[in-house]
Amino acid sequence: DTAVSQTPKYLVTQMGNDKSIKCEQNLGHDTMYWYKQDSKKFLKIMFSYNNKELIINETVPNRFSPKSPDKAHLNLHINSLELGDSAVYFCASSRGAAAGYTFGSGTRLTVV
Amino acid sequence: AQRVTQPEKLLSVFKGAPVELKCNYSYSGSPELFWYVQYSRQRLQLLLRHISRESIKGFTADLNKGETSFHLKKPFAQEEDSAMYYCALSGGGSARQLTFGSGTQLTVLP
Repeated sequence: DTAVSQTPKYLVTQMGNDKSIKCEQNLGHDTMYWYKQDSKKFLKIMFSYNNKELIINETVPNRFSPKSPDKAHLNLHINSLELGDSAVYFCASSRGAAAGYTFGSGTRLTVV
Repeated sequence: AQRVTQPEKLLSVFKGAPVELKCNYSYSGSPELFWYVQYSRQRLQLLLRHISRESIKGFTADLNKGETSFHLKKPFAQEEDSAMYYCALSGGGSARQLTFGSGTQLTVLP
């Protein structure tokens, strides 16, 4: 019954590989997000996406690409992984800002 | 542009002592403010939102537009309150994007 679920929970991979993280929400929310939490616990938005519009944060390298097959899913694909991509990636969803976000449990990505 | 500042990266208090986590924001319009909590290695959870003016787990936060602050307070801290606390701001708009502060790690000592 998890509201926002992410898979995998842990991901260890080598530099240069391509990987995907999946996110699904069963809350009926219309907007989904990807956030990156770095080693200093700083949270930074990467993308927000609703069924009408994808908004890309310009500081995100184009190696990162969100894909949304439907409004309940927002996956994150990362090409040519680099050491600096190691972080915890959180998916979230919302129906409106006033209600706040519901977060997934995070995916801990380690690039070696 | 919207910005959230949490000046304290680390905060330690003894059990039973009052605690205040500071949050200041910068936004030209009418912001919506939130506090999120992240217990060790868990997901972020919504703790408070200013529009509901509620008290959750003994925590309260008042929006002070004059001082552009949204400090989180609890009169008597408990050990289970130890966690990372994030203040966040939404400026509205189609993206409904939340901007987070850098977080304050609260440790409640026995």
